[in-house]
Amino acid sequence: GAGVSQTPSNKVTEKGKYVELRCDPISGHTALYWYRQSLGQGPEFLIYFQGTGAADDSGLPNDRFFAVRPEGSVSTLKIQRTERGDSAVYLCASSLDRKGMSANYGYTFGSGTRLTVV
Amino acid sequence: GQNIDQPTEMTATEGAIVQINCTYQTSGFNGLFWYQQHAGEAPTFLSYNVLDGLEEKGRFSSFLSRSKGYSYLLLKELQMKDSASYLCAGADSNYQLIWGAGTKLIIKP
Repeated sequence: GAGVSQTPSNKVTEKGKYVELRCDPISGHTALYWYRQSLGQGPEFLIYFQGTGAADDSGLPNDRFFAVRPEGSVSTLKIQRTERGDSAVYLCASSLDRKGMSANYGYTFGSGTRLTVV
Repeated sequence: GQNIDQPTEMTATEGAIVQINCTYQTSGFNGLFWYQQHAGEAPTFLSYNVLDGLEEKGRFSSFLSRSKGYSYLLLKELQMKDSASYLCAGADSNYQLIWGAGTKLIIKP
């Protein structure tokens, strides 16, 4: 697609429930990143995919968080047993490849999913 | 450890010039990014510096000094639409981006 698409844009869930957040990156971008951002903070790294594999999942806060990218394009971030502290905006970004940074572009971010756990 | 420092908030006047500073500490260095983020929206790419010096793009310029671990974003001829948060991010040896908390820029008429 023309940009990075994230769905849903907003999600309200009850504490303890399971949620899935979807990211559809720019076509041809092999690198995909998940971040979460709290109000007044910069993005916090969660996980990075190169193709289908999770190349770096060091940012996942605990084992309630899991992400997949089975065909190397769309990715799903899954959160089990949600807690109120999980409330944040979850951002997805993609790029041609991790080393493909240049003066002309960086990561392209989606508009994010605002998750609220009540 | 790895760290990015930038001011929390700055105020400037429409038509003026403002400089937003950023200091960084990363494990290895593969460049410094600036992103703009309007409230409730995704960050959008502004600039990338990997060599020392000034890169100019229209009203926006970005400067890097690797020896000082320092960068700044310079915004000229400020417009009301420039009111946003400006995020500084350094790429470490693994190309992992280390993000600052952002500088909220308020433009007054």
